[in-house]
Amino acid sequence: NAGVTQTPKFRVLKTGQSMTLLCAQDMNHEYMYWYRQDPGMGLRLIHYSVGEGTTAKGEVPDGYNVSRLKKQNFLLGLESAAPSQTSVYFCASRDRDRYNEQFFGPGTRLTVL
Amino acid sequence: GDSVTQMEGPVTLSEEAFLTINCTYTATGYPSLFWYVQYPGEGLQLLLKATKADDKGSNKGFEATYRKETTSFHLEKGSVQVSDSAVYFCALIRAGGSYIPTFGRGTSLIVHP
Repeated sequence: NAGVTQTPKFRVLKTGQSMTLLCAQDMNHEYMYWYRQDPGMGLRLIHYSVGEGTTAKGEVPDGYNVSRLKKQNFLLGLESAAPSQTSVYFCASRDRDRYNEQFFGPGTRLTVL
Repeated sequence: GDSVTQMEGPVTLSEEAFLTINCTYTATGYPSLFWYVQYPGEGLQLLLKATKADDKGSNKGFEATYRKETTSFHLEKGSVQVSDSAVYFCALIRAGGSYIPTFGRGTSLIVHP
C-alpha cells in the first residue's frame, strides 16, 4: 500500500496563477482532509470531506476550493494564487470508524511569488 | 473552543538526555489526546495516544500520561537519540461531531551527538 500520496511535491507559482493539488489514498478511507502548515502556526484545516461527493469548510477555507469526485482522491484548488498561500500543504485520511488515527501524506511545498 | 498549547521550541538536547515537551489542553468533555511526530521533509506520523484519563500512551521509548486534573499530556523520553530530532505536535479530538483534530503549534527538538 502506498498510503497517502500527494502530487506535486514542490511548486512555484506567480501571483494570480491557478493550480490543483492532488491527494490520493489507497486505504479505502471515507474521510479526507487538507491542512496547511505555516511556521509557528501548527496545522490549520482548510477543507475536509466525509465521503465521495461531499466537502466542508475548515478553519481557513478562503481562497481554496476542493472536490471529491472519487473516494480515493481529494483535490485542492487555488483559483488565483496569492503570496499569503505560500505554505506546506498536507493531506490526511482516516477510516470512518477509527477517528483517532489520521494518516498523512508527505506534503506539497508551494511558493507563490 | 478547543485548544492545545505546547511549549515553544526549539528544544536542544545532547544525546542520552531526558526529554520533556509540555502540552496542555482546553476542551469540553473527555477528548482523546495524541502526539504526532514530523521528521524533516515528511508528513506527520502518529507517535502515541491516550483516550481516557490516567491512560499512558507509549511508543519507541516515548510516553505521555493523560492527566485530566491538570489538563496535560506531556511527552517524555528517558534517553533521546539524534534520530529523534523532529517536530512534535500535541493534538486532541473531542468525541462527537466531525472528530476533527485540534493541533498545537508544534515543538522542534534538536538532539546533538
